[in-house]
Amino acid sequence: DVKVTQSSRYLVKRTGEKVFLECVQDMDHENMFWYRQDPGLGLRLIYFSYDVKMKEKGDIPEGYSVSREKKERFSLILESASTNQTSMYLCASSPGGGNQPQHFGDGTRLSIL
Amino acid sequence: AQSVTQPDIHITVSEGASLELRCNYSYGATPYLFWYVQSPGQGLQLLLKYFSGDTLVQGIKGFEAEFKRSQSSFNLRKPSVHWSDAAEYFCAVGTASGGSYIPTFGRGTSLIVHP
Repeated sequence: DVKVTQSSRYLVKRTGEKVFLECVQDMDHENMFWYRQDPGLGLRLIYFSYDVKMKEKGDIPEGYSVSREKKERFSLILESASTNQTSMYLCASSPGGGNQPQHFGDGTRLSIL
Repeated sequence: AQSVTQPDIHITVSEGASLELRCNYSYGATPYLFWYVQSPGQGLQLLLKYFSGDTLVQGIKGFEAEFKRSQSSFNLRKPSVHWSDAAEYFCAVGTASGGSYIPTFGRGTSLIVHP
């Protein structure tokens, strides 16, 4: 069965810390995505990647960066965490070459104190 | 740019009743349309998708959706709701961007099921 694994379900950090959220997929998918989910706002795309070492900004990239050194792993980095980055973060992957549905991880609920 | 509207933030139904969740999209070409479900504490799971062909598509868990081009709609239906269907439902439209697939999601509809 296909699987997208996010390293932490819950994470608590302090303002100003550098935070890493990790995501690994075992499906050999080309595309990987990071979203944040907030009540009433749905899913908002932060960054996506369509190949190793490639990245594109989504709708809300400010305050975030990403890294994709290997095909199966896509990391989201909060350079200097702030309280307004408290949210649920969802990672997803999809095959390349057309409009294919995404496969999602279970999410990381991040609290910045 | 494409957009997706789910007009209902919350829907409450009784167990055994029928269900329809609305989704309207804005996109110039033929869209690729999806419905996902998110149970509490989980990620999103694909219910069904429409790419082309028959405008009535069947999905998992007894759900179906109908694509109506004239109304720019892709409403999700189920004839008899079960308590386990209580969840958040997201409609999404997919468009190509430089060879990649970039979906746009609606804000979601929360389904509450009364016994």
